[in-house]
Amino acid sequence: GEDVEQSLFLSVREGDSSVINCTYTDSSSTYLYWYKQEPGAGLQLLTYIFSNMDMKQDQRLTVLLNKKDKHLSLRIADTQTGDSAIYFCAESLRSSASKIIFGSGTRLSIRP
Amino acid sequence: SQTIHQWPATLVQPVGSPLSLECTVEGTSNPNLYWYRQAAGRGLQLLFYSVGIGQISSEVPQNLSASRPQDRQFILSSKKLLLSDSGFYLCAWSDRGLVYEQYFGPGTRLTVT
Repeated sequence: GEDVEQSLFLSVREGDSSVINCTYTDSSSTYLYWYKQEPGAGLQLLTYIFSNMDMKQDQRLTVLLNKKDKHLSLRIADTQTGDSAIYFCAESLRSSASKIIFGSGTRLSIRP
Repeated sequence: SQTIHQWPATLVQPVGSPLSLECTVEGTSNPNLYWYRQAAGRGLQLLFYSVGIGQISSEVPQNLSASRPQDRQFILSSKKLLLSDSGFYLCAWSDRGLVYEQYFGPGTRLTVT
């Protein structure tokens, strides 16, 4: 079945690295994504990775994909207060390219 | 550049009243369009998606409906709202050839009282 799971909360000290984890169940995923939602706003696509890749780096963001374990992670280096948001993991499936399955989101809070 | 608009931004409606939320996209043609609902403290639930005018796919059976009267217009409706319809409604679009990138509107916060 289609299911994407994330932990609900993560608290990190400013300047440290944040690692947000996600697991998914469908092995036919084509792309996996990380979206960011700031309070009261829509979602913003942060980055995505094709399912045949292991890693993607984009400035402070590093995405790691373990396809064997169906595990995706987002690492934010040097976490800043502006990184406070809800982060959604999502996947698109080979069986239905028109829709994306979202996880429940991880709320990242930054402490001084 | 492409932009996506939703209105209203907030809405308070009594139980049993009708609903109409509108979403429009500018700067692109033939987009895929999506309606999501985000309940308080929860993830996104895909409600409807559309790959063309008059073509609507429903993901979750409920008292909501969607219509696409024009290429870049997507409407979410209900004849009679329930308390459980409260939530944050998000519209999104994607290019036909790039369905893996969805772009979200600012959302409509609906409170049913």
